[in-house]
Amino acid sequence: KQEVTQIPAALSVPEGENLVLNCSFTDSAIYNLQWFRQDPGKGLTSLLLIQSSQREQTSGRLNASLDKSSGRSTLYIAASQPGDSATYLCAVEDSNYQLIWGAGTKLIIKP
Amino acid sequence: NAGVMQNPRHLVRRRGQEARLRCSPMKGHSHVYWYRQLPEEGLKFMVYLQKENIIDESGMPKERFSAEFPKEGPSILRIQQVVRGDSAAYFCASSPAQVTGELFFGEGSRLTVL
Repeated sequence: KQEVTQIPAALSVPEGENLVLNCSFTDSAIYNLQWFRQDPGKGLTSLLLIQSSQREQTSGRLNASLDKSSGRSTLYIAASQPGDSATYLCAVEDSNYQLIWGAGTKLIIKP
Repeated sequence: NAGVMQNPRHLVRRRGQEARLRCSPMKGHSHVYWYRQLPEEGLKFMVYLQKENIIDESGMPKERFSAEFPKEGPSILRIQQVVRGDSAAYFCASSPAQVTGELFFGEGSRLTVL
């Protein structure tokens, strides 16, 4: 059974720092991995989608990597800003086309 | 070009009442997914539907919960005889196709059961 874990559960860093969020999964048989952002009282915004054949994706200050063999993904945020404060969720799409979600990392960027 | 629309955004029900949550997918999307997010937990898959078909309902509780996606109109998630444990945020997502596609999420419907 696929399980997705995100560490840390919460993170607080000063503005301007680079940071890394971690996501691990137990079953490497995935179609893709997605990183989402959730703002309080809002829906989810898809940030990056990495297909199983890819190793990384970049969008602006965000870079996501995928290592299927070790069951890990990282989301790297460069030059963090207060507007980056949100909960970041990762989800893997398994062989049954279901999304299995991590519990999220709550990120606070201090001005 | 509207995104995924969910309504109501907030719904309060007393125990034993019924809750109906609606989801209109993005234009051109025929696949709808419902997820539930309990407080302090990640999202959990509930059901996957295409127009007039339930494809996968393995995440739905066996009793009191049902979902539909009719030929015309929004997808509906129906919860009968609500209990306090049903209090959660219910998110709907749509995609143009099933396989390895990006999901587009609504802003969620927050159900509070008194």
